[in-house]
Amino acid sequence: GENVEQHPSTLSVQEGDSAVIKCTYSDSASNYFPWYKQELGKRPQLIIDIRSNVGEKKDQRIAVTLNKTAKHFSLHITETQPEDSAVYFCAASNDGGGSNYKLTFGKGTLLTVNP
Amino acid sequence: DTEVTQTPKHLVMGMTNKKSLKCEQHMGHRAMYWYKQKAKKPPELMFVYSYEKLSINESVPSRFSPECPNSSLLNLHLHALQPEDSALYLCASSQNRETYEQYFGPGTRLTVT
Repeated sequence: GENVEQHPSTLSVQEGDSAVIKCTYSDSASNYFPWYKQELGKRPQLIIDIRSNVGEKKDQRIAVTLNKTAKHFSLHITETQPEDSAVYFCAASNDGGGSNYKLTFGKGTLLTVNP
Repeated sequence: DTEVTQTPKHLVMGMTNKKSLKCEQHMGHRAMYWYKQKAKKPPELMFVYSYEKLSINESVPSRFSPECPNSSLLNLHLHALQPEDSALYLCASSQNRETYEQYFGPGTRLTVT
């Protein structure tokens, strides 16, 4: 099955700096890669996603890049703000035999933005 | 509207109790999911319902019993749980099983005593 590795496990940055979180996946058939943000005690929220036919996607201060050859994708947050502090999970979709799509999550990155 | 609701928010139950968790969405989504999340860990998939039929069961113990009465509702029936089952139980939905985007509910914080 799919295996998703996520690094780093913790990341601390100063407000205004950029933050980068990286993930690698094992299943070359995976073709959908979402990122979720989870604040303490809250639900995971989908913040951005990318499909395998696209190399990069941007939404305001957030961008995701995908390298299918190397099987890795990254989340980039620019001009970080304290409210960006949360746990971020990457995920990859795994087509379980053509009939179902299930997400395999990375272990998460705790991002702390210091004022 | 990307709202998925779950009740109750918190639940404390003994190992001999029977309780149910409820999830509801009104987005017309036809796939619904149950996840279990332990502290500082990612969500783990338990069950997937697609068009009200169970399509994925991730070898979850039988003390967890899912039910999908209709396309908007998803229940998780709990019986004879163990303390290690204490976790955040998240419901999610997507437009259909072929649509990737999953939207999560706020979760039920379950404590088994």
